[in-house]
Amino acid sequence: QVSLKESGPGILQPFQTLSLTCSFSGFSLGTSNMGVGWIRQTSGKGLEYLATIWWDDDKYFNPSLNSRLTVSKDTSNNQAFLKITSVDTADTGTYYCTRITTVALDYWGQGVMVTVSS
Amino acid sequence: DVVLTQTPSTLSATIGQSVSISCRSSQSLLDSAGNTYLYWYLQRPGQSPQLLIYLVSNLGSGVPNRFSGSGSGTDFTLKISGVEAEDLGVYYCMQATHAPWTFGGGTKLELK
Repeated sequence: QVSLKESGPGILQPFQTLSLTCSFSGFSLGTSNMGVGWIRQTSGKGLEYLATIWWDDDKYFNPSLNSRLTVSKDTSNNQAFLKITSVDTADTGTYYCTRITTVALDYWGQGVMVTVSS
Repeated sequence: DVVLTQTPSTLSATIGQSVSISCRSSQSLLDSAGNTYLYWYLQRPGQSPQLLIYLVSNLGSGVPNRFSGSGSGTDFTLKISGVEAEDLGVYYCMQATHAPWTFGGGTKLELK
């Protein structure tokens, strides 16, 4: 059974770096054509696709945030990571990780709320 | 970026009623290999989005067959044949043909 769960700091201040972890089970990022995606939901932009990390360590970043995003993975421990540098209030929202297969983004985590506030 | 426009933004229905949601894309979602990466998701209150339809018309795992998807190119439709109470929430279309992948603004389905 596939499941994903995001974890993060909850609250952080402007200009800090947001670090999120996606812990998953039921699949492996060592499997061909498997990926983990990061999506956020904000009051300003709705659902916004952020980044992907693939089984072969290939990465994709949304150009609108490209310079601020980093993704990585720990295949052995079934985890994926997202970092966003220099956050501001516009980064406040709920962050989701998802499994990506050749078919779809088919399973989503429950989401983690992140608030940027001074 | 590809813009997905969903209509209506709010949909009021009674239990058992059939409803449709439209998703129109600013560009064709047909890729050079003949694939159309258009998806539908339902986000129930307080939950994360769940996959309903993939690749325009394929039912996601465990999704009831009262849901169906259709369309091509730039125009797509999600139909619910007989709304049930558990169908209430916000419906989103999403495209993964063109980078960056993008979502529609959502259609809220509520009880009349």
